Amino acid sequence: DQQVKQNSPSLSVQEGRISILNCDYTNSMFDYFLWYKKYPAEGPTFLISISSIKDKNEDGRFTVFLNKSAKHLSLHIVPSQPGDSAVYFCAASVRNNDMRFGAGTRLTVKP
Amino acid sequence: DVKVTQSSRYLVKRTGEKVFLECVQDMDHENMFWYRQDPGLGLRLIYFSYDVKMKEKGDIPEGYSVSREKKERFSLILESASTNQTSMYLCASRGGGVYGYTFGSGTRLTVV
Repeated sequence: DQQVKQNSPSLSVQEGRISILNCDYTNSMFDYFLWYKKYPAEGPTFLISISSIKDKNEDGRFTVFLNKSAKHLSLHIVPSQPGDSAVYFCAASVRNNDMRFGAGTRLTVKP
Repeated sequence: DVKVTQSSRYLVKRTGEKVFLECVQDMDHENMFWYRQDPGLGLRLIYFSYDVKMKEKGDIPEGYSVSREKKERFSLILESASTNQTSMYLCASRGGGVYGYTFGSGTRLTVV
């Protein structure tokens, strides 16, 4: 039973436009959420995080939004660049315990 | 920067073989994790360890065991490899009060 779900396996956007990646979770105890980026043949790398006491966190071109009532978070990338093409994983944990990951969304940014 | 090193990038093993996947981290992290990544399923937690000699089952521990004799090393063991264990295996560590993990580059295991 997946506690973290990414229902879009892939997303394609034009360079310069906004990319929006979505994630839903079922465990209301989750209080920390992260996004990881993964290139082929490499391990995932941390991108951005948000704790449950916030509803938005911004880092340069990347913004994560959290809607606790809907158990939904999203990652916005503005503007999208070809180098952003990768698989993005949403992850969640309860306090500082082990993390659960979604299935990933493959983002393709076309020049 | 924390470095997590997985000893092999690619492995091919035969059904029934005992397989060892090694992971070493160099930043004295307490927590270490093993995941497998499969298309459409994402990263699924196999085992984790919060301290030396300590281990906990994750979501899919069947067919696997682990060993943590030293703080920096966390080994994943496939007791008798089967074809459904063909996958990308990712090791991660966490410590220093940081929530995020640092991942290794992964080991792609093929069982034939």
